[in-house]
Amino acid sequence: ETGVTQSPTHLIKTRGQQVTLRCSSQSGHNTVSWYQQALGQGPQFIFQYYREEENGRGNFPPRFSGLQFPNYSSELNVNALELDDSALYLCASSSGQGGEQYFGPGTRLTVT
Amino acid sequence: GIQVEQSPPDLILQEGANSTLRCNFSDSVNNLQWFHQNPWGQLINLFYIPSGTKQNGRLSATTVATERYSLLYISSSQTTDSGVYFCAVAYSGAGSYQLTFGKGTKLSVIP
Repeated sequence: ETGVTQSPTHLIKTRGQQVTLRCSSQSGHNTVSWYQQALGQGPQFIFQYYREEENGRGNFPPRFSGLQFPNYSSELNVNALELDDSALYLCASSSGQGGEQYFGPGTRLTVT
Repeated sequence: GIQVEQSPPDLILQEGANSTLRCNFSDSVNNLQWFHQNPWGQLINLFYIPSGTKQNGRLSATTVATERYSLLYISSSQTTDSGVYFCAVAYSGAGSYQLTFGKGTKLSVIP
């Protein structure tokens, strides 16, 4: 059974640029959630996708957007990057909306 | 929204010692998970425990949902137990069962 995978591992971008992060869910899981973890903090919920529809969103601006594909993999897009967007971005998958969530290794984004 | 508080924020243990980490939450929850975050940032699932008691080797957890708290017990600690331990809760009232995390307990186990 393949676990949750994320790409890329690390990324450096300049303020104002756009970035796309990718996540492949664990086999058999149809729900993907994205979280942002700033240094020294707990992860913060960005949004969740269930069966290709956004199903809940945290307190993040519209420049954070996402997609889920028919194979349940997902993308997180961030436009007009700001310095405060520098963080570890974590993707989690689960079987159903309320199931136990399993996390990928994360993408560490640095905005300069 | 729901509030999650973890204590203590920092804990230093001698190898072989036991410890108890606490998680308090402010409202009824559907799910509760404990994680260990390793130095590379990977969140490792320890327990999925919305209520009751579970054990896995040297680790065990108890959630008392009616009193809104959960405890994580680590016995005979090892240096590999070092890292940050997070409690996270989810509730259906948010519509999406999003996990709300506490700020974590940073555990350091010294030889």
